[in-house]
Amino acid sequence: IVLTQSPGTLSLSPGERATLSCRASQTITSSYLAWYQQKPGQPPRLLIYGASSRATGIPDRFSGSGSGTDFTLAISRLEPEDSAVYYCQQYSDSATFGQGTRLEIK
Amino acid sequence: QVQLVESGGGVVQPGRFLRLSCAASGFTFNYFGMHWVRQAPGKGLEWVAFIWSDFWIDGSGTYYADSVRGRFTISRDNVKNTLYLQMNSLRVDDTAVYYCARGGGKWYFDFWGRGTPVTVSS
Repeated sequence: IVLTQSPGTLSLSPGERATLSCRASQTITSSYLAWYQQKPGQPPRLLIYGASSRATGIPDRFSGSGSGTDFTLAISRLEPEDSAVYYCQQYSDSATFGQGTRLEIK
Repeated sequence: QVQLVESGGGVVQPGRFLRLSCAASGFTFNYFGMHWVRQAPGKGLEWVAFIWSDFWIDGSGTYYADSVRGRFTISRDNVKNTLYLQMNSLRVDDTAVYYCARGGGKWYFDFWGRGTPVTVSS
């Protein structure tokens, strides 16, 4: 399953809301989709699994939604520390990642 | 707290081998399936291999990405709480940071190590 993320780069201001998209080449069963945040020099961090369940310790500013082939990660009340690359990952058929969306907070 | 610490990376010539290790602590290691995921310089993430927890099933089932099947072998030692990746016949395009990751309930990755870099170059 190929995952395509958009946009490639997103530039927003603190306090705004970010919407990141992940589209799958075929249906992802049981909403087996996760989102990760990766900052420079750090490993990825799990944000969302099962399309909409927040991982332990993830603030409720982060929310996931979607089903089938279209999924969204929304980040409200953006903070400078949210600057990172965000990846979606499907685990319906083995495991594949999207190419990432770079979020810049200026 | 959950800790995963990778080691064993380095610079190696094409065709040679390398063995990576991942020391786990802070959780019951043999309850969880474990993965290796890699990231080439400046690139995205690629899942590499998975090994089941043999606590839940008989034997340790293993799965591999097509790009490494037949060259890489994932294994685990539940007494030493350590995950391994034996990498043979290394190629230049195996150059990446290799992360050890704990499997969530399904094939997502709920905790990650900091990674160990592998460079394959002549």
